[in-house]
Parts: sequence; structure tokens; C-alpha cells
Amino acid sequence: QSALTQPPSASGSLGQSVTLSCTGTSSDLGGYKYVSWFQQLPGKAPKLIIYDGTQRPSGVPDRFSGSKSGNTASLTVSGLRAEDEADYYCSSYAGSNVFLLFGGGTKLTVL
Amino acid sequence: EVQLVESGGGLVQPGGALTLSCAVSGFTFSTYAMYWVRQAPGKGLEYVSAISSNGGTTYYADSVKDRLSISRDNPNNVLHLQMGSLRPEDTAVYFCARGLKLGTLDFWGQGTLVTVSS
Repeated sequence: QSALTQPPSASGSLGQSVTLSCTGTSSDLGGYKYVSWFQQLPGKAPKLIIYDGTQRPSGVPDRFSGSKSGNTASLTVSGLRAEDEADYYCSSYAGSNVFLLFGGGTKLTVL
Repeated sequence: EVQLVESGGGLVQPGGALTLSCAVSGFTFSTYAMYWVRQAPGKGLEYVSAISSNGGTTYYADSVKDRLSISRDNPNNVLHLQMGSLRPEDTAVYFCARGLKLGTLDFWGQGTLVTVSS
């Protein structure tokens, strides 16, 4: 099964907002609530920032918010800061056969 | 504090074998599903394998099925990934991660690099 689809790059200015998209199918992202977003800084492990499509783990700033509509999930980063510059990956549970899919990642540049 | 520490990576020839381990602490290991995820150099994340909390159920990506085997030692808080018939395309940093719920990975180790090359 194919990976989820993410735009390879995105950018936004300091203090502004940017929304990243993640598109799947009804067999994966559209069929389950288990959509996650991860932030990965260079040379570091991924960090969970959104789960169940909209929930933030403890300690994640409320500048990060998630949503889902149909087969597309979105991550919005508000009040962009320099430290938000990173790679962002989405993932979705995809049923017991495929199990878990990741998107190809979006590199976010803060201008 | 939740900690996951991978080990066992290194250089291996094509067709060779390697076993990765992930030692965990800071949580009740036996109550969580666990995952392996890999990242080829300069590439994105790829799900590799998952195992249920009691080790009774395992899952594999098609790309590694029949070549990799996930297991866990709950009394000693260790997750393993036995890798065989390795190919150059298996070259990647391998991360272990804790499964908060279905398909949700909430804590990750720092990864261990596996390089398959002659």
C-alpha cells in the first residue's frame, strides 16, 4: 500500500500560521481516527505532537493543532517560531494487514 | 522518565544477519505494544514491525516480511528485531517506539544505524 501523501515543503514567516496537509484513502486515514503528526528536528528522533487527529500530548504547545476531514488530515502551526523549522510527518493506522502508514514528510521552513 | 535505548546496529554484508535491541525504562513495558520504524539516509519514516504487549501478536510491513522477526522479553524490558537476508535497501536508522494506542507512537528511542554494504 502507498504511503500517505504530504507536500515535500512548506514555509511561513515568523509569527504567521502555516497548515500542512496529509492525504490518504478511505482504507487508511479516512477510515480510522488514529492519525498522528510527528516533528523531527535534524539528527533527532521523531516527537509526537498530535494523536487521534486532534489531540496534543502533554507538553506540546497549543500553537500546534490538528484536524481531519474525509481522507485528509491537517496540521496547523500558529505563531511560527524559528524552532518550528523541522520535518513533519503524518501517520495513520491502516487496518490489521497494512497496520501503519507514514507520509513522506514535509520540510517546514520558517522565513 | 520514559527511556528507550536501541543497540546492535552496524555494518553487515548483503545477505547477512543482525539483531537489534531496545532497552526500555520508566514505564511498565509489559502493558504497551511496541514498534520498529526505520529511516533510510535522507528519506522519510517507514513502519517496519509491531508487537502486542504480551508478544502474542506480531505485524510486519510487506517489505520485511519473512526476513525480520520482532520479539520481546517482558521480564527484562527489552524489545528485539532479528534481521536476516539483509539487502542494501535495508540500510537505515532503526527506531524503537512505544505504542500509546493503535498506530500511535508516543515515545521514541534515538535510533541505531544499520548499514548493509559489501
